[in-house]
Amino acid sequence: LAKTTQPISMDSYEGQEVNITCSHNNIATNDYITWYQQFPSQGPRFIIQGYKTKVTNEVASLFIPADRKSSTLSLPRVSLSDTAVYYCLVGDGSGYSTLTFGKGTMLLVSP
Amino acid sequence: NAGVTQTPKFQVLKTGQSMTLQCAQDMNHNSMYWYRQDPGMGLRLIYYSASEGTTDKGEVPNGYNVSRLNKREFSLRLESAAPSQTSVYFCASSEVGANQETQYFGPGTRLLVL
Repeated sequence: LAKTTQPISMDSYEGQEVNITCSHNNIATNDYITWYQQFPSQGPRFIIQGYKTKVTNEVASLFIPADRKSSTLSLPRVSLSDTAVYYCLVGDGSGYSTLTFGKGTMLLVSP
Repeated sequence: NAGVTQTPKFQVLKTGQSMTLQCAQDMNHNSMYWYRQDPGMGLRLIYYSASEGTTDKGEVPNGYNVSRLNKREFSLRLESAAPSQTSVYFCASSEVGANQETQYFGPGTRLLVL
């Protein structure tokens, strides 16, 4: 399974842009990169998914360099409600095999 | 459209007792999954079902059994609960394999085994 490495925690203040980088050196050709958000006492929630270059939606942007060995989730102008754990996942390219959730990055946004 | 629902929300068991966690989805998804999440940890896959009638082991299947009752429902059974199974259990579903499609998660079942 393709493994990912991301920082254990990050701190930010309201209104700032937050960038969380994830390393996935063994990403397979067919793998997509997906980010989930998890609030305390809730299940993870899909944020964004991409294969290469840049993807943007109403919540975040995802930057993926040409070698695809890393990716960066960008959260513009965070608020207190963005305090959560963020998981970076990649598929292993074997069809119905599963995603692997690591420990994620705990983002704490302060006033 | 309720998405993914799980019952019960909370449960306390004594060591050796059995119980079944229920999960249902109304999104007509083919694939369903059971995860456990221990404090401060990420989610670990217990079992998954790529389609109705099929189930496969995940990373931590020991001590659990599953049943894909129909396309909507996927249950997780603990035959003889152990304190090490104290955890939060999440069910999820997705349209295609987890590789390219997003998973939708339920609210979780908090299980305490004494």
